[in-house]
Amino acid sequence: GEDVEQSLFLSVREGDSSVINCTYTDSSSTYLYWYKQEPGAGLQLLTYIFSNMDMKQDQRLTVLLNKKDKHLSLRIADTQTGDSAIYFCAEGNSGYALNFGKGTSLLVTP
Amino acid sequence: GAGVSQTPSNKVTEKGKYVELRCDPISGHTALYWYRQSLGQGPEFLIYFQGTGAADDSGLPNDRFFAVRPEGSVSTLKIQRTERGDSAMYLCASSFSVNTGELFFGEGSRLTVL
Repeated sequence: GEDVEQSLFLSVREGDSSVINCTYTDSSSTYLYWYKQEPGAGLQLLTYIFSNMDMKQDQRLTVLLNKKDKHLSLRIADTQTGDSAIYFCAEGNSGYALNFGKGTSLLVTP
Repeated sequence: GAGVSQTPSNKVTEKGKYVELRCDPISGHTALYWYRQSLGQGPEFLIYFQGTGAADDSGLPNDRFFAVRPEGSVSTLKIQRTERGDSAMYLCASSFSVNTGELFFGEGSRLTVL
């Protein structure tokens, strides 16, 4: 399948901003997603962006999409220890057969 | 129910045995999905149901894997003649609509094949 690439680890201090990056190869992607996975919990959809948008903001979360470079980022403002989790970037054009990256483990230290 | 429920949460079996994994979606969700997540990997799509029918089963790895949803609600993923490579977390998700990828995932069933 098409590739979705993410860096594996990110460590930030509490109160700082976190930026998690993702690149994808499928130029026909209609939607791009960020999911969060906490230990012992199911994957949770954080936010998604249509491919015809370049930015979406939702409270502490900002998603930026550079469609030309096939680059997606998730910025978390004022990162808290409760934000520590694995964050998955995913793309799809069907709405159901999502193609996920391997996930970025975010560690927030006090 | 309040969320997607999957049972069992953990299943250990021996190579060659038959396994069934159950998913109870959120009430009212017509679309149901199965994904598989191996250690250190992202989830991989297996199959998607709209109502009772499998609308897309292109992600099933081979004919040892089969899934049903006879009444359009609960689904069962069935694995015959299990192999060690089948060991993974099997994730079920459901949604109101298939169009936007807003999937609600369960906590998964961890399958270990010895």
